[in-house]
Amino acid sequence: SQQGEEDPQALSIQEGENATMNCSYKTSINNLQWYRQNSGRGLVHLILIRSNEREKHSGRLRVTLDTSKKSSSLLITASRAADTASYFCATVGNQFYFGTGTSLTVIP
Amino acid sequence: GAVVSQHPSRVICKSGTSVKIECRSLDFQATTMFWYRQFPKQSLMLMATSNEGSKATYEQGVEKDKFLINHASLTLSTLTVTSAHPEDSSFYICSAAQGAGGGTDTQYFGPGTRLTVL
Repeated sequence: SQQGEEDPQALSIQEGENATMNCSYKTSINNLQWYRQNSGRGLVHLILIRSNEREKHSGRLRVTLDTSKKSSSLLITASRAADTASYFCATVGNQFYFGTGTSLTVIP
Repeated sequence: GAVVSQHPSRVICKSGTSVKIECRSLDFQATTMFWYRQFPKQSLMLMATSNEGSKATYEQGVEKDKFLINHASLTLSTLTVTSAHPEDSSFYICSAAQGAGGGTDTQYFGPGTRLTVL
């Protein structure tokens, strides 16, 4: 399968703590994207990192990409209860393939 | 930003009936549209890719006669689930891209349609 794998599958933290999610994939990519999905809702695009980039920031989000290890991480700093959602990585080559997702719960 | 809508957002139907889901790009022309399926607490699985005016390309294991896709214009694609059964109950999400949707092209996602087959 070309689908990426994410870990952990589920993560529960206290508000204010940092949350780190990892994504590993198998094929070569042009870019990797992270999405957020609230329960039963559509996807919200968070950030895109290109294959020639190693790190990218957007607000409280920090994404890293290691193409030699075929892995990426998403760090959410100073988490809030509103960050509770599922987070998916998507690897983009000729096609879009979504990872298995991490369910994040931020406890107020 | 680019907006993609889906209609209906929820549909409940009886087993054996057909259901049509619409995906529209509201403020851009979508050369390519994608249909995904998502089971509870699972990831999105690509079902098919459709290009305006041509036949859809289905992923392995997806029945093309079961899931009919029509991309009649640059702003509209439809997915028809024919003779729906309870196992077809799922969350269906479309996305649209101005280009081919791969590489550095951006896909814009619709809000999804929850299908429940009784």
